[in-house]
Amino acid sequence: DVKVTQSSRYLVKRTGEKVFLECVQDMDHENMFWYRQDPGLGLRLIYFSYDVKMKEKGDIPEGYSVSREKKERFSLILESASTNQTSMYLCASSPAPRGYYEQYFGPGTRLTVT
Amino acid sequence: AQKVTQAQTEISVVEKEDVTLDCVYETRDTTYYLFWYKQPPSGELVFLIRRNSFDEQNEISGRYSWNFQKSTSSFNFTITASQVVDSAVYFCALSQPGGYQKVTFGIGTKLQVIP
Repeated sequence: DVKVTQSSRYLVKRTGEKVFLECVQDMDHENMFWYRQDPGLGLRLIYFSYDVKMKEKGDIPEGYSVSREKKERFSLILESASTNQTSMYLCASSPAPRGYYEQYFGPGTRLTVT
Repeated sequence: AQKVTQAQTEISVVEKEDVTLDCVYETRDTTYYLFWYKQPPSGELVFLIRRNSFDEQNEISGRYSWNFQKSTSSFNFTITASQVVDSAVYFCALSQPGGYQKVTFGIGTKLQVIP
C-alpha cells in the first residue's frame, strides 16, 4: 500500500516563526501536492511538484514556499507564520503527472498559529 | 476554469436509510476525470472511485453506487442502507487530463449517520 506520512499531526507555532511541514511518500510517485483544508472552503491547492526540484504554484501560494530535494520528500515552508495560516494541511502524492491518477493523502497536520 | 459544486454541506440520516450526495461540475475540457474521496474523522482522504468523461456507465460497489450524467454535469454518489461507519466528509473532485494534474475539489459534504 502507498503510504504518505506527515511529520506532525498537531503543531502550535507563534506568529512570525518559520514553520516546516514535512511529507514523505514511499511509492516512488512523481507528483506531490500540498493542500490546506478550511471549513466551508474544501481543499485548496497551495503548491505541487511533478519532479525533484520542480514546483508549480497552486491556487493559494502566497505566504508559502516548497522544497523538493528528493523524490520522496516534499516540504511546505511558512516563512513567517501568521494567524490566517491556522489550518489543516494535507499532503498528497500520485504516480504520474496525468489527471487520470487518484491522489494518496497523508493524515494531515493541524497547524495553529497564535 | 474548473468548478465543482457540492451544494449539501451537511446531511444527517438514520442508520439503514439511503442517502445521495450531489456533485455538479463545470469544465471546458471534453476529456476529464471525476473522483470521489472519503475523509473519515481520522483525517486521511481515501480514494473511492474515478470516472472518465467518456464512460457514463453507472457503477456499483457494494452499498455504494455512482451516477454520472454528462447532460446535467453531475456525478452523484448514493450510499444504500447507510451505516455509522459511513459517517465522514465526502469530496467530489475534477481533474484535467494532461498538464500537471490540476485537481479541483468541491467543499465537501459532511455525512452523519445516526444509529
